[in-house]
Amino acid sequence: NAGVMQNPRHLVRRRGQEARLRCSPMKGHSHVYWYRQLPEEGLKFMVYLQKENIIDESGMPKERFSAEFPKEGPSILRIQQVVRGDSAAYFCASSPLDGGTEAFFGQGTRLTVV
Amino acid sequence: EDQVTQSPEALRLQEGESSSLNCSYTVSGLRGLFWYRQDPGKGPEFLFTLYSAGEEKEKERLKATLTKKESFLHITAPKPEDSATYLCAVQADGANSKLTFGKGITLSVRP
Repeated sequence: NAGVMQNPRHLVRRRGQEARLRCSPMKGHSHVYWYRQLPEEGLKFMVYLQKENIIDESGMPKERFSAEFPKEGPSILRIQQVVRGDSAAYFCASSPLDGGTEAFFGQGTRLTVV
Repeated sequence: EDQVTQSPEALRLQEGESSSLNCSYTVSGLRGLFWYRQDPGKGPEFLFTLYSAGEEKEKERLKATLTKKESFLHITAPKPEDSATYLCAVQADGANSKLTFGKGITLSVRP
């Protein structure tokens, strides 16, 4: 899973600030997924994107959260006006095809809101 | 709603003591069942994908099996380096590839 690059690895934000998390998928992969992992909780699906398209955002909170995967550059998960409850590990995964194939995960970004 | 339940929550084994981890699932139509390993502070590492009941896959000391309601991850003669959290996830038909995860099983193997 070293091929999926996430940065930063750790991010500290004060309440009310914006957090931007970046994910570069494995070479040749055009499908990107974002998951959130809270302490003592399992990984929860947030959003599924292909280049320039949001395919499924059913797991995204309705407010303050947005995601994009532009034609050029990494996928971005953006959290506006962060609150303490946003503190979690955010993981990105990529796969070469849609469905039935393994998704490879990055090392995650650990967001701490103080 | 798709659900995945893993048991036990934690398991402590002596080195060489074989055991099994359970993953029970409910899903409208199973496209695939996935096992991942996660070390502290790291991202999940892919282990296996199973697609249909009766299927089995092996990798070193690990063997994954699948029935219509559950999957088992069998660990034979574990070593301390097998200590990790093991995650089970399902992908449903028509689910746009998203995975539904269980909470994981934390395995500790004592030397």
